[in-house]
Amino acid sequence: AQRVTQPEKLLSVFKGAPVELKCNYSYSGSPELFWYVQYSRQRLQLLLRHISRESIKGFTADLNKGETSFHLKKPFAQEEDSAMYYCALSSANTGNQFYFGTGTSLTVIP
Amino acid sequence: EAQVTQNPRYLITVTGKKLTVTCSQNMNHEYMSWYRQDPGLGLRQIYYSMNVEVTDKGDVPEGYKVSRKEKRNFPLILESPSPNQTSLYFCASSQTGQPQHFGDGTRLSIL
Repeated sequence: AQRVTQPEKLLSVFKGAPVELKCNYSYSGSPELFWYVQYSRQRLQLLLRHISRESIKGFTADLNKGETSFHLKKPFAQEEDSAMYYCALSSANTGNQFYFGTGTSLTVIP
Repeated sequence: EAQVTQNPRYLITVTGKKLTVTCSQNMNHEYMSWYRQDPGLGLRQIYYSMNVEVTDKGDVPEGYKVSRKEKRNFPLILESPSPNQTSLYFCASSQTGQPQHFGDGTRLSIL
């Protein structure tokens, strides 16, 4: 069963516009949610995790258990935000198995 | 420099010929894991290890083996590779139970 859904394969926004990358999950219990980013020709890297409630590079994400969502948001997109973004889920219920979504490729248009 | 190193970076081989992809980390991390990345499917976890001599199946473990005899190394073994294992493979490590530091990837082509 698919546990993490990223409905948009591709997303384009203009520089300075708000951006929201959608992530929905299906899992019982208490999952931990993450966002990862892969810039062109760079390694995949952890962007943020919901339990930290942090803002990294201007991005934030709020876990909405009612809607089972963990959307990634940034109020003003920058060209350097163009990258592949993956939402991911982990839960102790699965023995620390880790599930990635299929990814969203974000392009910020100058 | 803290890093995760995978070898080889590229490999073309034939069906049935055993191969090993090595993964080494120099950060003394307890958690290590392997993923394969396929178009349209994202990354899928193959195996993970929470510590030395402790390994567990991920989402797609069939056709793969791993071992964790020492903390720094976590090799991925394909005993009898098949074409459906052609993919891009990533190793990752962290001090917690989620991948944080990734290797550069290994592109395997099995003919």
